[in-house]
Amino acid sequence: QIQLVQSGPELKKPGETVKISCKASGYTFTNYGMNWVKQAPGKGFKWMGWINTYTGEPTYADDFKGRFAFSLETSANTAYLQIYNLKNEDTATYFCARGTAYVWGAGTTVTVSS
Amino acid sequence: EIVLTQSPTTMAASPGEKITITCSANSSISSNYLHWYQQKPGFSPKLLIYRTSNLASGVPVRFSGSGSGTSYSLTIGTMEAEDVATYYCQQGSSIPRTFGGGTKLEIK
Repeated sequence: QIQLVQSGPELKKPGETVKISCKASGYTFTNYGMNWVKQAPGKGFKWMGWINTYTGEPTYADDFKGRFAFSLETSANTAYLQIYNLKNEDTATYFCARGTAYVWGAGTTVTVSS
Repeated sequence: EIVLTQSPTTMAASPGEKITITCSANSSISSNYLHWYQQKPGFSPKLLIYRTSNLASGVPVRFSGSGSGTSYSLTIGTMEAEDVATYYCQQGSSIPRTFGGGTKLEIK
């Protein structure tokens, strides 16, 4: 069955960098785009953007341009989200989500605290 | 940006009761790009309805969806205890993709 397995929780300090992974199985990885979605504590969902898993081209939502990077390791059916220069407001759960009607990973909690 | 407004934001229903949640958009969305998700506490969202009215795999038939243009709805034909969750609509019609604010459904 389709599975998106995300990496474990992260505790980081402001200014550090985090890289989250999302390993896909159960389908052809390059047939579906991969989205990234942020859910801050007690808040709703904010779409960060998506990466075309066939071409590798990323598209970022306006609020996620600059410190955020999507990448792929296609040979390992894995998508990555990297956040640079972490800020307190990056504390959230980050989900990868496949396709257009989303199949979601379990989420990765990132806590940014000094 | 397409803003999706869900109502109600919270509600409580008795077992067996029929439930309707609405999702209103500030501009028209193709019905092919409106989806519904269920999120239970501590879990990631689960696709419930795709393209307005199509039941995702394994979803009970008491769930249904309808709508067009700027107005969409999710219906639970008969409320069950396991339906306690927060429900979200989401549009994939334009970038940025956006979500409704959620409807928290509790049981009486």
